Amino acid sequence: NAGVMQNPRHLVRRRGQEARLRCSPMKGHSHVYWYRQLPEEGLKFMVYLQKENIIDESGMPKERFSAEFPKEGPSILRIQQVVRGDSAAYFCASSGRGTGVQETQYFGPGTRLLVL
Amino acid sequence: AQTVTQSQPEMSVQEAETVTLSCTYDTSESDYYLFWYKQPPSRQMILVIRQEAYKQQNATENRFSVNFQKAAKSFSLKISDSQLGDAAMYFCAFMRANSKLTFGKGITLSVRP
Repeated sequence: NAGVMQNPRHLVRRRGQEARLRCSPMKGHSHVYWYRQLPEEGLKFMVYLQKENIIDESGMPKERFSAEFPKEGPSILRIQQVVRGDSAAYFCASSGRGTGVQETQYFGPGTRLLVL
Repeated sequence: AQTVTQSQPEMSVQEAETVTLSCTYDTSESDYYLFWYKQPPSRQMILVIRQEAYKQQNATENRFSVNFQKAAKSFSLKISDSQLGDAAMYFCAFMRANSKLTFGKGITLSVRP
């Protein structure tokens, strides 16, 4: 599968637990973006990462949320002490280096997080 | 900051007919990209079409084409010969070079058989 992979596809957590969402970018891609989609809304940007670097985290909530993209392995979006308002679909997208068509972002299938 | 506006929340089209989805945006940038993404009931985000702002020629992908009016900051999507599988949510999105996507609120397209 050469596409963007996300797991798990569905995640259920109780309030106060931690949620870890994983994203493996498309082969050859080194840029990863995380977006959140609340019910009946469009996607909102959260964070943009390159390998071992956070490039733009202007959309990340200040508390409880963190993201990383290590040198080896997938990108991780971590939500600590989840609350019901965190219930949403979380999408990861990846793009390649350079300009032009390489910048097109391709999306994974998303992780649906439900907080009980 | 960039904004993307999709003012029509939903539209309906008869199968085999043509439909146009509207999108406007606001930016002070001169170099940027515009996209239409499709989100079917599976909720997967699928790229439909892409337009570079520096290109005057409108992008076309099979039955999908855009009308890009840079001065008016308008970027509409035309779907020709509509098919049942076109029924989905469609999002217009703006992107500066090597940056995040800014999405509109989306439009729900239904296709009548």
